[in-house]
Amino acid sequence: DIQMTQSPSTLSASVGDRVTITCRASQSISSWLAWYQQKPGKAPKLLIYDASSLESGVPSRFSGSGSGTEFTLTISSLQPDDFATYYCQQYNSYLFGQGTKVEIK
Amino acid sequence: EVQLVESGGGLVKPGGSLRLSCAASGFTFSSYSMNWVRQAPGKGLEWVSSISSSSSYIYYADSVKGRFTISRDNAKNSLYLQMNSLRAEDTAVYYCARDGTVVRGFDYWGQGTLVTVSS
Repeated sequence: DIQMTQSPSTLSASVGDRVTITCRASQSISSWLAWYQQKPGKAPKLLIYDASSLESGVPSRFSGSGSGTEFTLTISSLQPDDFATYYCQQYNSYLFGQGTKVEIK
Repeated sequence: EVQLVESGGGLVKPGGSLRLSCAASGFTFSSYSMNWVRQAPGKGLEWVSSISSSSSYIYYADSVKGRFTISRDNAKNSLYLQMNSLRAEDTAVYYCARDGTVVRGFDYWGQGTLVTVSS
């Protein structure tokens, strides 16, 4: 099975900061990667698919990049609504990363 | 508007069974693969099972293989998860999620239903 390693597990940041989260696959998954945002008590929300395509309605401050085994989710200027937990998911066997909690610094 | 509404969660004893349902509306249900994803309290997301639009392809996580059965009824716009031989570690919120077609990702999710396995 392809394993996903997401880092960091927790990230402390301030409003306006540029934030980057990394997801590494144990073998190449081409661009078959999605990113989700989840807030406490809520269902996850799809942000990015195919590694770099922005889902409809998602603010443009979110971006994704990478292919093969290394991927990043970037928030260009962190907003108060962005404090949440973020997950990557490889679309080969649907496995999720462990999650990254973005906290207020 | 796309809606997914799960039901059927509750408290069950170890070794017991439960059947979850997910009622879909607002889209052509029979055209989409569907999934179950769970989240144990305070933990991350775990994919559980997937079923293709016509039920031709079905996949399970190793952790539930042989105990859980996914199914769907396209005439009723409904997705199901039959859970047998439940264990304490199956305690989680269970979400149904639509598999995007053009979009490779789970593009719509239900609100989740809590399953608690405890004596």
